Amino acid sequence: RKEVEQDPGPFNVPEGATVAFNCTYSNSASQSFFWYRQDCRKEPKLLMSVYSSGNEDGRFTAQLNRASQYISLLIRDSKLSDSATYLCVVLSGGYQKVTFGTGTKLQVIP
Amino acid sequence: DAGVIQSPRHEVTEMGQEVTLRCKPISGHNSLFWYRQTMMRGLELLIYFNNNVPIDDSGMPEDRFSAKMPNASFSTLKIQPSEPRDSAVYFCASSLEPNYGYTFGSGTRLTVV
Repeated sequence: RKEVEQDPGPFNVPEGATVAFNCTYSNSASQSFFWYRQDCRKEPKLLMSVYSSGNEDGRFTAQLNRASQYISLLIRDSKLSDSATYLCVVLSGGYQKVTFGTGTKLQVIP
Repeated sequence: DAGVIQSPRHEVTEMGQEVTLRCKPISGHNSLFWYRQTMMRGLELLIYFNNNVPIDDSGMPEDRFSAKMPNASFSTLKIQPSEPRDSAVYFCASSLEPNYGYTFGSGTRLTVV
């Protein structure tokens, strides 16, 4: 089993739709979690951290489910500009082991 | 804040040649990471420095790859000799604390022919 797994997609959704991605991780001792966004031929950029209690930033909501070992990202009212690949990141081993998922591709359609 | 600066942006080289990629992390960041990204394998961590000391180099593919961080403001990733399968985008990232997330450079797109 991979340490961090994501559905590669693509998720094709119409503008205004709500879309959710999950990311599962295998190490139950993992400590920190993030979502990154990567546009085509660009570098990954931090979208948001994922806190145990869940957190929201505008149209974006991140949640952590430790019992089932997954994190999720919910995007409400999708915009064309949300089209990108979304990468989950898991930190473990005293924050010294960093594992990126392979990403989920989102395409928002007019 | 100039961000993480990588050079060159693009590099095309012939098989067998030495390639050196350069990175200047954000001032004050004490952790630096080298990643490689390909379509097949996604983002792979190659090596991680903390306070200029290599902490984890288990991701370095083989002895052809080496990385140095002589001071807090500069790091290099060297491939010698280069092979076509090394073709990828190489990213450098830095962080103040890993728990705060990372800032990536724009990457070096390496093509070995």
